Amino acid sequence: SQKIEQNSEALNIQEGKTATLTCNYTNYSPAYLQWYRQDPGRGPVFLLLIRENEKEKRKERLKVTFDTTLKQSLFHITASQPADSATYLCALGGNKLTFGTGTQLKVEL
Amino acid sequence: NAGVTQTPKFRVLKTGQSMTLLCAQDMNHEYMYWYRQDPGMGLRLIHYSVGEGTTAKGEVPDGYNVSRLKKQNFLLGLESAAPSQTSVYFCASSKQGNSNQPQHFGDGTRLSIL
Repeated sequence: SQKIEQNSEALNIQEGKTATLTCNYTNYSPAYLQWYRQDPGRGPVFLLLIRENEKEKRKERLKVTFDTTLKQSLFHITASQPADSATYLCALGGNKLTFGTGTQLKVEL
Repeated sequence: NAGVTQTPKFRVLKTGQSMTLLCAQDMNHEYMYWYRQDPGMGLRLIHYSVGEGTTAKGEVPDGYNVSRLKKQNFLLGLESAAPSQTSVYFCASSKQGNSNQPQHFGDGTRLSIL
């Protein structure tokens, strides 16, 4: 069956460092991969989309990579700030999106 | 521009009671979705709609019904609530149904079934 894995343990990093979150998948050949941010008590907010034929996508301090051979996406936040603290969800799609469980990021001063 | 609005934000029900969750979007999106989010399970699709008057089952549709009588509204109904339906429910919408389209989410309805 299709499976999406995101690290369930929270990632704690120091302000100014680069945060790297991982999304692995199995039994899946997604055409697109999306990343969302979710704050406590709020709905997910779309951040970035990357297509299967794209290796990398950037938006301001955010960078996403998509390796269809490794079946993995990496989500990077450079120069991280306490305001970046949230849960980050990856979502894979064909005709519908399937979401991972998310990884909580905590950026400390 | 409100985006996606869900009502109510919180609700406590007794087992066997019924209720309807309302979702409204003001972005003229064709597609609308209902998800539930449980700890360790991620977002799971309950039902979705590809346009006014049409609905389809998602991954976990049992115990729920939906209606899309108007393009901007998508209703989720629980006919006889069960404790297993205690969850946070999110509504989302997208311009089209392909996964190359971002989904826009509401802030959820927190539902407890006693």
